[in-house]
Amino acid sequence: DVKVTQSSRYLVKRTGEKVFLECVQDMDHENMFWYRQDPGLGLRLIYFSYDVKMKEKGDIPEGYSVSREKKERFSLILESASTNQTSMYLCASSPGGGGYTFGSGTRLTVV
Amino acid sequence: AQSVTQLGSHVSVSEGALVLLRCNYSSSVPPYLFWYVQYPNQGLQLLLKYTSAATLVKGINGFEAEFKKSETSFHLTKPSAHMSDAAEYFCVQTMNTGFQKLVFGTGTRLLVSP
Repeated sequence: DVKVTQSSRYLVKRTGEKVFLECVQDMDHENMFWYRQDPGLGLRLIYFSYDVKMKEKGDIPEGYSVSREKKERFSLILESASTNQTSMYLCASSPGGGGYTFGSGTRLTVV
Repeated sequence: AQSVTQLGSHVSVSEGALVLLRCNYSSSVPPYLFWYVQYPNQGLQLLLKYTSAATLVKGINGFEAEFKKSETSFHLTKPSAHMSDAAEYFCVQTMNTGFQKLVFGTGTRLLVSP
């Protein structure tokens, strides 16, 4: 069964910490995405990548960065976590054609 | 700019009743459209997708949706609700050319009562 795996389901971090959220897909997809999900706002795109070492800003990139050194792995980095980054983070991958597969999400709480 | 509007943040139905979740898209060219479902504490699962073939699309778990260009709508229906259908549903669009970035609606939470 094809999978997108997010390394942590729940994380609690302190304000100012550097936080890494990891996502791995086993489908050889070119495209990978990071979204955050907040009540009443739906899913908002943070960053996406269409190839190794390539990245593009989404709709809300401020306070985040990403890394894609290998095709299967796409990391989201919070350089200095803040309380307004408390959210559910969802990773997705796609080969194109709308066939997106989502991970189970990481619920991050910044205290 | 693309946008997706889901009417009603919450919809309540009784078990066995018709489910109707409304979605309107905004696009100058025919988009690709999707419905995703999210169960509590889980990721998103694809229910069905429209990619410019048949306008009536059948998905998993008895759901279907009809693409109506004249109304710019893609409403999700199920003839008879089941308790296990309680979840949050997202209508999503993307363009059918170029890089395909998803645009999400804000979601509709379906509540099913016995």
